[in-house]
Amino acid sequence: DGGITQSPKYLFRKEGQNVTLSCEQNLNHDAMYWYRQDPGQGLRLIYYSQIVNDFQKGDIAEGYSVSREKKESFPLTVTSAQKNPTAFYLCASTGGGVNGNEQFFGPGTRLTVL
Amino acid sequence: LAKTTQPISMDSYEGQEVNITCSHNNIATNDYITWYQQFPSQGPRFIIQGYKTKVTNEVASLFIPADRKSSTLSLPRVSLSDTAVYYCLVGDMRGYQKVTFGTGTKLQVIP
Repeated sequence: DGGITQSPKYLFRKEGQNVTLSCEQNLNHDAMYWYRQDPGQGLRLIYYSQIVNDFQKGDIAEGYSVSREKKESFPLTVTSAQKNPTAFYLCASTGGGVNGNEQFFGPGTRLTVL
Repeated sequence: LAKTTQPISMDSYEGQEVNITCSHNNIATNDYITWYQQFPSQGPRFIIQGYKTKVTNEVASLFIPADRKSSTLSLPRVSLSDTAVYYCLVGDMRGYQKVTFGTGTKLQVIP
């Protein structure tokens, strides 16, 4: 089955620690995206990558870092510089072209800072 | 990026047709209009996409007037399982550009 997987589903972190969220897709999509969602709010774009070895900052990139070494993988690191990291994190991908406006989302990772 | 405006919430009884309107006054020529559905603690799911006039699929219809400054998502005969947040997005992601999610419309279906 093609799709996007995110792990772990729940993640707990102590203040001051960096943590990496995994996102993998087997849809052969070129573009991948990371969003953050706070309770009762919409999705805010953190980073996106249009192609391997390239990525751009989204609207709220401070305190986050990403890498795109492989087409199928786009991990997100939440650093200690992110002052309020507790949130629901969603990864998405899109294949471009005629159906490029359809984003496929993973199940999300809920991060809680203790 | 085109800014969108949607009602914050709507209530509907089971079996009724629900219409959710989205305003996007500064839509660009190449922009498409895309709607997503999101259940709590899940990622959004694509519902429908359109450029102009009317688009229909197995779950919804999308009506876009000639000036494209607004659009209406129509859900026929809603059920309790349609209770969710619905997002209207405007943009052109075919070139892998970014789009902006608003706060969406929370639809509550009442038995």
